[in-house]
Amino acid sequence: AQKITQTQPGMFVQEKEAVTLDCTYDTSDPSYGLFWYKQPSSGEMIFLIYQGSYDQQNATEGRYSLNFQKARKSANLVISASQLGDSAMYFCAMREGLEGYQKVTFGIGTKLQVIP
Amino acid sequence: DTGVSQNPRHKITKRGQNVTFRCDPISEHNRLYWYRQTLGQGPEFLTYFQNEAQLEKSRLLSDRFSAERPKGSFSTLEIQRTEQGDSAMYLCASSSLPRETQYFGPGTRLLVL
Repeated sequence: AQKITQTQPGMFVQEKEAVTLDCTYDTSDPSYGLFWYKQPSSGEMIFLIYQGSYDQQNATEGRYSLNFQKARKSANLVISASQLGDSAMYFCAMREGLEGYQKVTFGIGTKLQVIP
Repeated sequence: DTGVSQNPRHKITKRGQNVTFRCDPISEHNRLYWYRQTLGQGPEFLTYFQNEAQLEKSRLLSDRFSAERPKGSFSTLEIQRTEQGDSAMYLCASSSLPRETQYFGPGTRLLVL
């Protein structure tokens, strides 16, 4: 089974609108962390936001928020007030186990295009 | 700039040649990771170091691949006898406690002809 599933190969959003990028995960470990990264065409992976499995509140970082639904094993990224510079690939990733174990598994990504 | 750096950014080589990539992590980070990313895929884990110790290697890392981090600072990834299937982006990341968020470098794009 895929550990990280991103079902939207591509998404379009109008500039200044909000967009939700879907991510579901699969793990039997009670302790895990979820990450979202942005990868522009230049190739660098840019860290956006982190959610720990024991965090009580959904993570927020500026225009990024993570809609964490633990029972459904989903960790959707919400980008508010989209900007042209948000056009990029977005990857959801998971680290399983306690923070001493560092292997991170990535999904296949969603390509977001912001339309002026 | 105190981010992760990688050199070279691009490498074109002929099949059968050896190549070496370098990664300089964020200075205070004691963990360093290598990933490979092919077109249309997310990064795939290759190996990671805690200080100078290589703690885990993926099965993707064949005998032709070797990674070192001799003094617990920068790391090198060497591919011997390159094959066309090795063409990919090679990404390096580093992290430290407490959250262990991995911060990535710009990557090295390898093309094997």
